[in-house]
Amino acid sequence: AQSVTQLDSQVPVFEEAPVELRCNYSSSVSVYLFWYVQYPNQGLQLLLKYLSGSTLVKGINGFEAEFNKSQTSFHLRKPSVHISDTAEYFCAVTGAGSYQLTFGKGTKLSVIP
Amino acid sequence: DTEVTQTPKHLVMGMTNKKSLKCEQHMGHRAMYWYKQKAKKPPELMFVYSYEKLSINESVPSRFSPECPNSSLLNLHLHALQPEDSALYLCASSQVLNRVANYGYTFGSGTRLTVV
Repeated sequence: AQSVTQLDSQVPVFEEAPVELRCNYSSSVSVYLFWYVQYPNQGLQLLLKYLSGSTLVKGINGFEAEFNKSQTSFHLRKPSVHISDTAEYFCAVTGAGSYQLTFGKGTKLSVIP
Repeated sequence: DTEVTQTPKHLVMGMTNKKSLKCEQHMGHRAMYWYKQKAKKPPELMFVYSYEKLSINESVPSRFSPECPNSSLLNLHLHALQPEDSALYLCASSQVLNRVANYGYTFGSGTRLTVV
């Protein structure tokens, strides 16, 4: 079984500042990791995913994440945030052959003008 | 077409009403899912359909009744709901079941349900 822990429930950050949203996972098998974004009253949109290969993954809207197996982490980063990045961010994990994504509890990113 | 379309976007229903939520995708995906999301919580899996057959029911109360009439359409029939069932109901699809690792999910925008 897999699980995900998002260490921060809320992250306030000033506009144009960098941000890191933290995600740690646990699994006894190979994992596949995802970050989704949810804007208010919207569904979830895939930002990026790690399946294999390069540990630095680039996604949409200028986000990137780094898979670190030794630290069992998959932190999301953006060098300069915009007001429009204000949203809830979910880290999710699945295993090979699984039908289900297991979500973390989410991190609310609030960008302050 | 790379979207999952859910209707209606908002629904208010009484505890004695019967209503249905609709989800449609034209990406050729053969696995479809219903999730329930309470405020400030992550989505929780309710049902999974694979090739139009119900594969997973996560112990959901019988007042929620899913239906998959064809490979593009997924319904969720609601009857005798309780106020605590108020939530955002999300539909998702993936190319096939058990290959979520490769493809992830595509989510719809959800139906905001309020039970009064």
